[in-house]
Amino acid sequence: DQQVKQNSPSLSVQEGRISILNCDYTNSMFDYFLWYKKYPAEGPTFLISISSIKDKNEDGRFTVFLNKSAKHLSLHIVPSQPGDSAVYFCAAIGIIQGAQKLVFGQGTRLTINP
Amino acid sequence: DTGVSQDPRHKITKRGQNVTFRCDPISEHNRLYWYRQTLGQGPEFLTYFQNEAQLEKSRLLSDRFSAERPKGSFSTLEIQRTEQGDSAMYLCASSLQFTEAFFGQGTRLTVV
Repeated sequence: DQQVKQNSPSLSVQEGRISILNCDYTNSMFDYFLWYKKYPAEGPTFLISISSIKDKNEDGRFTVFLNKSAKHLSLHIVPSQPGDSAVYFCAAIGIIQGAQKLVFGQGTRLTINP
Repeated sequence: DTGVSQDPRHKITKRGQNVTFRCDPISEHNRLYWYRQTLGQGPEFLTYFQNEAQLEKSRLLSDRFSAERPKGSFSTLEIQRTEQGDSAMYLCASSLQFTEAFFGQGTRLTVV
C-alpha cells in the first residue's frame, strides 16, 4: 500500500528551465511534508519542507506547493542547474497505525541537460 | 563533521554470515531511525528509537534483524544469517523533533 506516490520515475529538463516534481499522498493524517535529494551511493539530503497549515514554502531556487484538497504536493526548481541532477524523494509525516512515521515515495530521477 | 555517520560504507558478506552496522546520530538528536533502500524504491522504514527506547518496528524487520541503541547515542543494526534478499542500502537518520530527519551516507550491503 503505497501511501506516498511519485508517479514519474524520471524527468528530463533543459538547464535554466523550471523542473516540476510531483507527489501524491493518500493518508489525510499526514501533516508535514519533505523533499529529499539523493546522489548515487549517498544518503538522502534534506531539501525543503512544508507544514499542512501552509500552501507554499520557498527557499532560494526551491519552492514546495501543497494542495491539501487534492492531496498533492510539488517541488519547483527554477532555474534548473546541472548539479540538480539526482533522485528526488517526497516524504510525509503523520500518524500511521497509532505511531508517527516518516513515509517516502519511490523517487523521481531528475536529469538536467546542458 | 557533525552530521550522521554510518560505518562501514560498504560491506560484502557471504550468505549465512552475520553483519553489524553502526550509526552515530547528530549529538543532540534524541530520535534515530533505520531505513532500507533497494534499487528504484524509496527508503523503507525499519525501526525507530527515542533515546534508548525502541518504539516502533516494521514488519519488514524479521527475527534475523535486531537493532539497539544502548545509551541513547549510537545505534547498531545486526542482521543474522544473511540472505541475498538482504542486499540493500541501509540508511540511518536522526532528528531532534519529528520534522526534518537528517540521513547518514548509508551502508551498502551485498550478500553473495
